Amino acid sequence: GAGVSQSPSNKVTEKGKDVELRCDPISGHTALYWYRQSLGQGLEFLIYFQGNSAPDKSGLPSDRFSAERTGGSVSTLTIQRTQQEDSAVYLCASSQGATTAKEQFFGPGTRLTVL
Amino acid sequence: RKEVEQDPGPFNVPEGATVAFNCTYSNSASQSFFWYRQDCRKEPKLLMSVYSSGNEDGRFTAQLNRASQYISLLIRDSKLSDSATYLCVVSRKNTGRRALTFGSGTRLQVQP
Repeated sequence: GAGVSQSPSNKVTEKGKDVELRCDPISGHTALYWYRQSLGQGLEFLIYFQGNSAPDKSGLPSDRFSAERTGGSVSTLTIQRTQQEDSAVYLCASSQGATTAKEQFFGPGTRLTVL
Repeated sequence: RKEVEQDPGPFNVPEGATVAFNCTYSNSASQSFFWYRQDCRKEPKLLMSVYSSGNEDGRFTAQLNRASQYISLLIRDSKLSDSATYLCVVSRKNTGRRALTFGSGTRLQVQP
């Protein structure tokens, strides 16, 4: 079956522009995570969706970042007024079940470059 | 202090060598532990979960020491294809909230 997909794979934007990143999780997975990974760094948690529960936004670095998940499936991460420090690979992951003890399946990521 | 700490490496080892990585975590309430593998410019993939009693999967052995709050990964008979970054992952509580914390990874380079 299909894995987690993300689009676009690469995005180059100018400082100050808004960007939208999309994630299609594995069908049936109720949990969806967004992370970002800067060059040579570990994964930084951003936001977590579980079913119909309120999302855990505690990892979002500023109010320029927001995310939504429509219909419990596709998710969009929006970054407003992008800054150069937002440049990173944005990874989406999904998993079955209600606990983080379950394996997370990652998408290939969106490489964001802010000029 | 980071919640999950790993030696970034790189560990350069010859084919056939045995290599071990350690990872320390700071939160004693951590409950679930994993090793993920990430190839260059690729997404992370689960390598193995780490159980309290220790567990083995082929050439890979994972150990957990709760008293000292560290996790280890041992790779025997290293292959060229083992070259990757190994991420230590810790889950604080089994509740589904934002509890997965990733280490920065340890880079392994297996040389012919």
